[in-house]
Amino acid sequence: GAGVSQSPSNKVTEKGKDVELRCDPISGHTALYWYRQSLGQGLEFLIYFQGNSAPDKSGLPSDRFSAERTGGSVSTLTIQRTQQEDSAVYLCASSLTGWGTETQYFGPGTRLLVL
Amino acid sequence: AQSVTQPDIHITVSEGASLELRCNYSYGATPYLFWYVQSPGQGLQLLLKYFSGDTLVQGIKGFEAEFKRSQSSFNLRKPSVHWSDAAEYFCAVGGATNKLIFGTGTLLAVQP
Repeated sequence: GAGVSQSPSNKVTEKGKDVELRCDPISGHTALYWYRQSLGQGLEFLIYFQGNSAPDKSGLPSDRFSAERTGGSVSTLTIQRTQQEDSAVYLCASSLTGWGTETQYFGPGTRLLVL
Repeated sequence: AQSVTQPDIHITVSEGASLELRCNYSYGATPYLFWYVQSPGQGLQLLLKYFSGDTLVQGIKGFEAEFKRSQSSFNLRKPSVHWSDAAEYFCAVGGATNKLIFGTGTLLAVQP
């Protein structure tokens, strides 16, 4: 079956604009994660969705960042009023149930550049 | 605090030589440990994982890792490196919720 897909692959935006990044998890996976990969910060956890539970937003760096997951499938990460420090690769992953021993399957990422 | 340390930012080995990538973790509960590889332009791919049982785990592409609780380490090894192993390697620790904490990565270069 298809893996995790993300769109767009690349996004260039101007400082202050809003952006939306999309993630399509593997079909049937109930857990979905967003991570950010940036120079100097490595890979950082942002947010985690598991089924119908309230999402774990503990990794979101500011209130400009938000995410939603509609119908338990597709997720959108929104960054409002983008700043240059938001430039990074945003990675989405999914796993079957969210249990700690499971493998997370990663998408190819969205490379965001804020000018 | 929960963290993962990969002390080697960049390693160069000759093709055919053995490889060991170091990983140390700090985690307050039972750790679940992972090694992922990221090739240029590719997403992260799981190499292997440990959560219980035999402390020596085998993974894909001929990699193995050994969990040493006393040293809080989970080092990745391969007996003979191939040119196609050139990539960035990430160690990660997680717990029950599968929220992963990653190390900063080790970039592996392979000399012919």
